[in-house]
Amino acid sequence: DAGVIQSPRHEVTEMGQEVTLRCKPISGHNSLFWYRQTMMRGLELLIYFNNNVPIDDSGMPEDRFSAKMPNASFSTLKIQPSEPRDSAVYFCASRPAGGPDTQYFGPGTRLTVL
Amino acid sequence: ILNVEQSPQSLHVQEGDSTNFTCSFPSSNFYALHWYRWETAKSPEALFVMTLNGDEKKKGRISATLNTKEGYSYLYIKGSQPEDSATYLCAFLPGRRALTFGSGTRLQVQP
Repeated sequence: DAGVIQSPRHEVTEMGQEVTLRCKPISGHNSLFWYRQTMMRGLELLIYFNNNVPIDDSGMPEDRFSAKMPNASFSTLKIQPSEPRDSAVYFCASRPAGGPDTQYFGPGTRLTVL
Repeated sequence: ILNVEQSPQSLHVQEGDSTNFTCSFPSSNFYALHWYRWETAKSPEALFVMTLNGDEKKKGRISATLNTKEGYSYLYIKGSQPEDSATYLCAFLPGRRALTFGSGTRLQVQP
């Protein structure tokens, strides 16, 4: 398996632009997580899905952030409009069904908002 | 808000030294405790998933213990090597939901 796939790996955009980050979880995994890593707050959960349904989005910073999972093999995290304080590394992770199993992280998307 | 705390925040040791760090977490509603290893510019990789009080896990020179009643876990590295340099994250899973990560212990092993 190729592991969790994220795209793009790097994104540089200007303030006010829309940004869409993409994630393909490992096939057969039924939970998907979006995290943000910053120097100040470390690794923080933004939202997670179970069987394509959002379970907990309490970590989403504000209405400018939205996430979707239209099917079991694809999820997006959208920021509209983007702001410089959104600059961070965004990780996607997936987890198989059943048991306290490990989460498998993607390589991350490094977002820079100018 | 779940409080997962790791100490120390950073650690510098010499090659060959043994070291250990601590993760403390809420002792109620425990489901699992995870340890991850996170190298700079890479993504976190799982080391251990621990579920039972008294659990001990080992992978090569790295081992971990778990005390769910008092809410702590220790990670040990025996005979540290430069390639062990990384941030070690613990994460608490309350019920089968989402992990809450600690801020990590950053380990630097000097050759």
